[in-house]
Amino acid sequence: DTGVSQDPRHKITKRGQNVTFRCDPISEHNRLYWYRQTLGQGPEFLTYFQNEAQLEKSRLLSDRFSAERPKGSFSTLEIQRTEQGDSAMYLCASSRRGAGNEQFFGPGTRLTVL
Amino acid sequence: DQQVKQNSPSLSVQEGRISILNCDYTNSMFDYFLWYKKYPAEGPTFLISISSIKDKNEDGRFTVFLNKSAKHLSLHIVPSQPGDSAVYFCAAIRGGSEKLVFGKGTKLTVNP
Repeated sequence: DTGVSQDPRHKITKRGQNVTFRCDPISEHNRLYWYRQTLGQGPEFLTYFQNEAQLEKSRLLSDRFSAERPKGSFSTLEIQRTEQGDSAMYLCASSRRGAGNEQFFGPGTRLTVL
Repeated sequence: DQQVKQNSPSLSVQEGRISILNCDYTNSMFDYFLWYKKYPAEGPTFLISISSIKDKNEDGRFTVFLNKSAKHLSLHIVPSQPGDSAVYFCAAIRGGSEKLVFGKGTKLTVNP
């Protein structure tokens, strides 16, 4: 049973550039989540998918952010026109319906915007 | 508005002793609570959870206690081991939501 994987693990970009991150959940997990964690803070919820449907979005997810899960398997998170304030660890998690509220996290993608 | 609070940024204990990590919450709608452990450069790892209908849940060396009237939970680790050194996050979720709300974390150091 492989865990949640995320790619890339690190991304350095210049302000104004677009970036895209990928998350592969645990197989057969139909729920997928994106969180963001900044220094000294706990993870903050961004959005949630059940299969391919995006069912919940945080106010943190500005219009520069878009997430997709087209076939109900992997997901992508795109940030357009990156700003220095977007620098953070982006975490993906997955869970299985009926398995309680435990969410299982990937290693994260660390984004640095210069 | 911090709905889940971990007021101790750090905690240091000796190997073999008990570690007690505390967490307070303000939202009475939360009905499920989780503890995660995080090592540097890794994602959070699920540790133990408790439903609001219980006041205690135990898993090996880890026990979580919930005091609903005080809106307080704690994680006990007995005996503490150097490998337990990590940042511990308390998280809460309310029924009908999929959104975990995390505290800021407590860095635990277990000294040999």
